[in-house]
Amino acid sequence: QTVVTQEPSLTVSPGGTVTLTCASSTGAVTSGYYPNWFQQKPGQAPWALIYDTDSKYSWTPARFSGSLLGGKAALTLSGVQPEDEAEYYCLLYYGGAHWMFGGGTNLTVL
Amino acid sequence: QLQLQESGPGLVKPSETLSLTCAVSGDSISISSDHWGWIRQPPGKGLEWIGNVYYSGRTYYNPYLKSRVTISVDKSKNQFSLKLSSVTAADTAVYYCARQTIVPTPNFDYWGHGTLVTVSS
Repeated sequence: QTVVTQEPSLTVSPGGTVTLTCASSTGAVTSGYYPNWFQQKPGQAPWALIYDTDSKYSWTPARFSGSLLGGKAALTLSGVQPEDEAEYYCLLYYGGAHWMFGGGTNLTVL
Repeated sequence: QLQLQESGPGLVKPSETLSLTCAVSGDSISISSDHWGWIRQPPGKGLEWIGNVYYSGRTYYNPYLKSRVTISVDKSKNQFSLKLSSVTAADTAVYYCARQTIVPTPNFDYWGHGTLVTVSS
């Protein structure tokens, strides 16, 4: 069974920088997995942040960036704001139009 | 502005079939670059991709749910639907519909607000 793994929780200080990662049990994550990243706050629907590893939507704040790092997909937040406290999910494409979410990272800004 | 809105019963009995509809506005469901998907989230847990449908009716399902899932599209009403059969308490979740476009590359850009479905007798 394929598993997508994220850090369960991370803590960052306001104004700091934090990197969240997304690993696949099938091996190194490459651009061919078209990594997507979402932010979700309590009681709200997920909000798309990043697609295709590092592409931003028109609404994505500049402080969010995506990359590949050490065989994983990564989401970096630079100059973290209090409103960035949320759950973050990655989503990977496994071919044949099949997708799998990571378990999510709970980011605390403290 | 694309909008998606889920609707359907909030309570389903065990062993019965869960049925939800997602109404799409601000865009045609027949655009060739778009798939339409369902994702769910049990209370306090993570997201799970259920499946996608293309306007042609072609479907793609999560292998672990495939035996119980049917997703269909109604182009005349600009909406698509989810049916999940033989439900149990484990199927209690917030169900989201979303657009999965392939332009410029595959991504889920617009989501509905979600609807909570509880499986209970």
